[in-house]
Amino acid sequence: GENVEQHPSTLSVQEGDSAVIKCTYSDSASNYFPWYKQELGKGPQLIIDIRSNVGEKKDQRIAVTLNKTAKHFSLHITETQPEDSAVYFCAARDAGGTSYGKLTFGQGTILTVHP
Amino acid sequence: EAQVTQNPRYLITVTGKKLTVTCSQNMNHEYMSWYRQDPGLGLRQIYYSMNVEVTDKGDVPEGYKVSRKEKRNFPLILESPSPNQTSLYFCASRPRDSTYEQYFGPGTRLTVT
Repeated sequence: GENVEQHPSTLSVQEGDSAVIKCTYSDSASNYFPWYKQELGKGPQLIIDIRSNVGEKKDQRIAVTLNKTAKHFSLHITETQPEDSAVYFCAARDAGGTSYGKLTFGQGTILTVHP
Repeated sequence: EAQVTQNPRYLITVTGKKLTVTCSQNMNHEYMSWYRQDPGLGLRQIYYSMNVEVTDKGDVPEGYKVSRKEKRNFPLILESPSPNQTSLYFCASRPRDSTYEQYFGPGTRLTVT
């Protein structure tokens, strides 16, 4: 099955700096890669996603890049703000078969943005 | 408001005492799933359901049961909880087409002593 590795496990930055979180996946058939943000006491919420036919996607201060050859994808947050502090999860979606598009998650990154 | 709800949000129980965590969604989603979240391990799938009366094991199903008698509800059952099931649990749902976003509930923090 799919295996997703996420690094770093914790990341501390100053407000205004950029933050980068990286993930690698094992199954070359995976075709969809979402990123979730989990704030304290809440469930994960989708913030951005990328499909395997796209190399990069941006949404305001957030961007995701995908390197299919190397099987890794990254989340980039620019001009970080204290409200960006949260746990971030990457995931890879199984392309099909009997798992019905199952998402496999990385281990999570605790991002802390210091004012 | 479109949402996934879970109850209870917090639960402390003792080893062996059966419990049920409820999950309900109001988006008419076919696919529902349960995850557990543990530090350093991320979110791991316990069980999932593609539709009413259709359920299957995820990656960590041991010690859990589920049922899907109605489309909106997907309860998680621990017949005989053990301390290693102390965790944060999330229910999630999405349409059958996996290209659509998956929505998560607010979580249930379970402690088994």
